[in-house]
This record gives sequence, structure tokens and C-alpha cells, in this order.
Amino acid sequence: DAMVIQNPRYQVTQFGKPVTLSCSQTLNHNVMYWYQQKSSQAPKLLFHYYDKDFNNEADTPDNFQSRRPNTSFCFLDIRSPGLGDAAMYLCATSRTSSDRGREQYFGPGTRLTVT
Amino acid sequence: AQKITQTQPGMFVQEKEAVTLDCTYDTSDPSYGLFWYKQPSSGEMIFLIYQGSYDQQNATEGRYSLNFQKARKSANLVISASQLGDSAMYFCATNGGYQKVTFGIGTKLQVIP
Repeated sequence: DAMVIQNPRYQVTQFGKPVTLSCSQTLNHNVMYWYQQKSSQAPKLLFHYYDKDFNNEADTPDNFQSRRPNTSFCFLDIRSPGLGDAAMYLCATSRTSSDRGREQYFGPGTRLTVT
Repeated sequence: AQKITQTQPGMFVQEKEAVTLDCTYDTSDPSYGLFWYKQPSSGEMIFLIYQGSYDQQNATEGRYSLNFQKARKSANLVISASQLGDSAMYFCATNGGYQKVTFGIGTKLQVIP
């Protein structure tokens, strides 16, 4: 089945230690997104790739970076995680030609703990 | 800019009853879509239903229907015949602009046996 896969599902990292979260998709969608979702809050868009074009949200901290080496993969790098970065990180994809507009398909998320 | 307002932080419904989750939106885009997602405690976001701003009829997907009132800028989700497995967070969202989707803060639905 076509899907969005996120690894790992749970990640524990130490304060200040760089961490990378990964996302892959078999949907061949041209747009990929990274969201941060803290407890009891709405998902907050960090950035997205439209094909190879990177689009950063204005309020996304510099501590967060992303890479998309090919259509299928996208990575979220947190250079120096702080306690406030503990959250669920959701990857999503969409296809701009979809009849449903920009319906997004989400992965299962990676829950990040910072100790 | 887009904004979604969900004014019900929590809702209870008896099993097999219908429930309406409220959503109002604000967008400057002439063409937009409205979505509802379900997020169980496990964390994944599950797409439920979509309504395009120019769709003439309200969207339906199985037990889910979207009560779209464009003039009022509302897009309420109706779940019929609630099941225990419907207990989850429900997010209303809208798209617009350049691939951006904006989510509301969600409504926590609990289905009571």
C-alpha cells in the first residue's frame, strides 16, 4: 500500500545533541511537509518542499533544518534540541494536481523526547 | 491569511447518537478547501472528509458529513451513529495560498457507552 512512513516512531535525545527524523513516501507526491505538534495543540507547519523548492515558515527557528534528497525522502534536522522542542513531529505529503485540492496524507509521526 | 476557529475544546456523545463538531473559518482566498482530520491517541492524523469552496453539495463520506454554510463561513462535521472508536481529537483545517494548510486547535470527542 502507498503510504507515508516515519522513522523512528519514538526518539529520545539529549539536550543539545543533534537529531535527525526521517520521512519517506511511496505516493510519489511532489509536496512534503514537516509539522510540529505539542501536547493539546494544533499541528504547526515548520516548512515544506514544493518539488525541490524549500519553503520555510517565518517563525520556524533556525535550529530546525530540512533536506529532501529526492522525491521520496525528507529529513528534519534539529541542530541543538532544547527541552521546548519535545513534541510530535508529523510528516505529510500532497499532490498539487489532486482533485481534492491539497489534501495531505500524514505519516504516523515521531514523538521526540529531550532529556 | 487563513484562520480556523474550533470553539468546543471537548464534546461527549452517547454511543449510536449523532454529534456535530463546530468549525468556522476565515480566508482571503477566493478558492479554498476545508478538511477534517481525526487524531487518535496514537498520534497519526487520519483524513476524514473534504469540501471545496465551489462544491454545490455538502460532502459526505460514510458516517461523516460536512455541513458547509459558505455565507456563515462554517464547516461543521457531523458524525452519525457514533462508535467507541470515534473517540479522538478532531481537527478542522483549510488550505489556501501556496500549499499552506492551517489547522484549528481541535475538539476532543469522547463517545460514552
